[in-house]
Amino acid sequence: DAGVTQSPTHLIKTRGQQVTLRCSPKSGHDTVSWYQQALGQGPQFIFQYYEEEERQRGNFPDRFSGHQFPNYSSELNVNALLLGDSALYLCASSFIQSGNTIYFGEGSWLTVV
Amino acid sequence: SQKIEQNSEALNIQEGKTATLTCNYTNYSPAYLQWYRQDPGRGPVFLLLIRENEKEKRKERLKVTFDTTLKQSLFHITASQPADSATYLCALGADMGYGGSQGNLIFGKGTKLSVKP
Repeated sequence: DAGVTQSPTHLIKTRGQQVTLRCSPKSGHDTVSWYQQALGQGPQFIFQYYEEEERQRGNFPDRFSGHQFPNYSSELNVNALLLGDSALYLCASSFIQSGNTIYFGEGSWLTVV
Repeated sequence: SQKIEQNSEALNIQEGKTATLTCNYTNYSPAYLQWYRQDPGRGPVFLLLIRENEKEKRKERLKVTFDTTLKQSLFHITASQPADSATYLCALGADMGYGGSQGNLIFGKGTKLSVKP
């Protein structure tokens, strides 16, 4: 049973470019959340997708957008990259019912130069 | 604004001792609190969840307490081992109306635990 898988694992982008990160949830999970983790910090919630809709959003600008597909996989898009967007981007999946465990992927390391 | 603090950035203990990590929060009424372990360069791994109406949870050598009056959780690792060395994250969550509660977690910065042999 594969856990949460993310791709790519590492990437380098130039300031102003756009990036797309991908996530496949753990089998049986229907909810995907994205987090940004800067070095030395805890993860910060970006948004959550359920039933292909954005259900909750953290304090991130509109440059951050996402999508959930019918197979529950998800993408995170970041436009007009800034140096400060350099971070580990984590995808987490869960089953919608409250009280269930969240599983994190290993993350995608984004470096903006 | 909501604030969550983990008592120290780093904690060094001797093998066999009990490690105690603290998580304090303000301006928030969480429905539950979770503890995660994170190794360098890896994603967080879920350890324990405790709900607001629970005082204590145990799992093998791990124990977590939750005091909603003090707005504090304590995380204990008994008989610690060098393999327990990692960063431990505390996270708060709230139940949402549509049942989607698990995604929007507020994390602390973490405490880096080092267990010396």
